[in-house]
Amino acid sequence: LAKTTQPISMDSYEGQEVNITCSHNNIATNDYITWYQQFPSQGPRFIIQGYKTKVTNEVASLFIPADRKSSTLSLPRVSLSDTAVYYCLVGDLPFKTIFGAGTRLFVKA
Amino acid sequence: DAGITQSPRHKVTETGTPVTLRCHQTENHRYMYWYRQDPGHGLRLIHYSYGVKDTDKGEVSDGYSVSRSKTEDFLLTLESATSSQTSVYFCAISETTANTGELFFGEGSRLTVL
Repeated sequence: LAKTTQPISMDSYEGQEVNITCSHNNIATNDYITWYQQFPSQGPRFIIQGYKTKVTNEVASLFIPADRKSSTLSLPRVSLSDTAVYYCLVGDLPFKTIFGAGTRLFVKA
Repeated sequence: DAGITQSPRHKVTETGTPVTLRCHQTENHRYMYWYRQDPGHGLRLIHYSYGVKDTDKGEVSDGYSVSRSKTEDFLLTLESATSSQTSVYFCAISETTANTGELFFGEGSRLTVL
């Protein structure tokens, strides 16, 4: 099972772009990279998923270099409501992916 | 939002008593999961199910059992609760186990074992 390493916490201000990097040195060929967001007292919520290069949706972008040993979640122009914990997961099957401790993002006014 | 209901949402019990948490889904998804979340550990998989009566162990299955008699219900049982099982329990569902299988989570059940 591929383990991931993320910063424990990050601070940002409203309107800034936030980049959270995840390291996954032992990622396997079939593994996908998935990011979830969790607010207090709620279950995690899917944000974005990718295999290689760049993926963009309405809320975030995911950048994956060619070696796939890391990935970066980019949140454009964050707001106070983006304060949450962000988890990076790597795996090929939901029951073979591990949630790490995540990155606690705090957005300040 | 995915139709997932966990019950009870909050429970306080005493050491040695049995506890059952219920997860009910209205999405007809095949796969269901139980996780626990503790400070500093993120979410850890307890058990999962890949169909009616088909279940398997996850990362931290000791002290827990599960049952799935219907597609929509997945029960997590603590036969004899211990203080180390005080945690927040999340149920999740997914339609597929394909590489792009997204997990949908319930709101969580907070269990306190005294």
